[in-house]
Amino acid sequence: AAGVIQSPRHLIKEKRETATLKCYPIPRHDTVYWYQQGPGQDPQFLISFYEKMQSDKGSIPDRFSAQQFSDYHSELNMSSLELGDSALYFCASSFRGISQLGNTIYFGEGSWLTVV
Amino acid sequence: TQLLEQSPQFLSIQEGENLTVYCNSSSVFSSLQWYRQEPGEGPVLLVTVVTGGEVKKLKRLTFQFGDARKDSSLHITAAQPGDTGLYLCAGVGPRRGGADGLTFGKGTHLIIQP
Repeated sequence: AAGVIQSPRHLIKEKRETATLKCYPIPRHDTVYWYQQGPGQDPQFLISFYEKMQSDKGSIPDRFSAQQFSDYHSELNMSSLELGDSALYFCASSFRGISQLGNTIYFGEGSWLTVV
Repeated sequence: TQLLEQSPQFLSIQEGENLTVYCNSSSVFSSLQWYRQEPGEGPVLLVTVVTGGEVKKLKRLTFQFGDARKDSSLHITAAQPGDTGLYLCAGVGPRRGGADGLTFGKGTHLIIQP
């Protein structure tokens, strides 16, 4: 079965540079989530999108932005990168549908961002 | 803010022993999910529990959701070295559609020694 696809898997950037991560959700999933996981920490929710509209915001820095496109893929843009942004970034997707009930969330493999 | 407390944080046992991991909160969750994560990889979903009191079994793993939907447990019977990994519980908030994503516990690092 198709899973959540993230790219790139690894990314090295210098401080103050910009990085973009891409996420392709499981087909027919209408909700995308972004999480940040620092070394030895649990994943922290950044932002979510439902049907291409921003659904909720978590601990996403103002330097970061994200959007979901018409084909449901999503991109996380990170600007003015700082050393502390080095982390594993996960995209996850789910199907929420019209029932608006709680749903199962599936994760991608993650994108490793290293800021030097 | 919803918090999930997971215990124990670290556990090292011998092959063949049984163990239980707990996930507790003062908040109610519409559902709770258990994941297993290998280093550098994404969390892999093990199970979702939705109904209070629900019990689900996955081979030697038994998952239970508390009656009040505030806590959950993972019990592993006759643990094997292949069970070694980080186990994460994560709750979907009561907000409609789980729009606020998942609240994760800190995880349980499990090591099964041969």
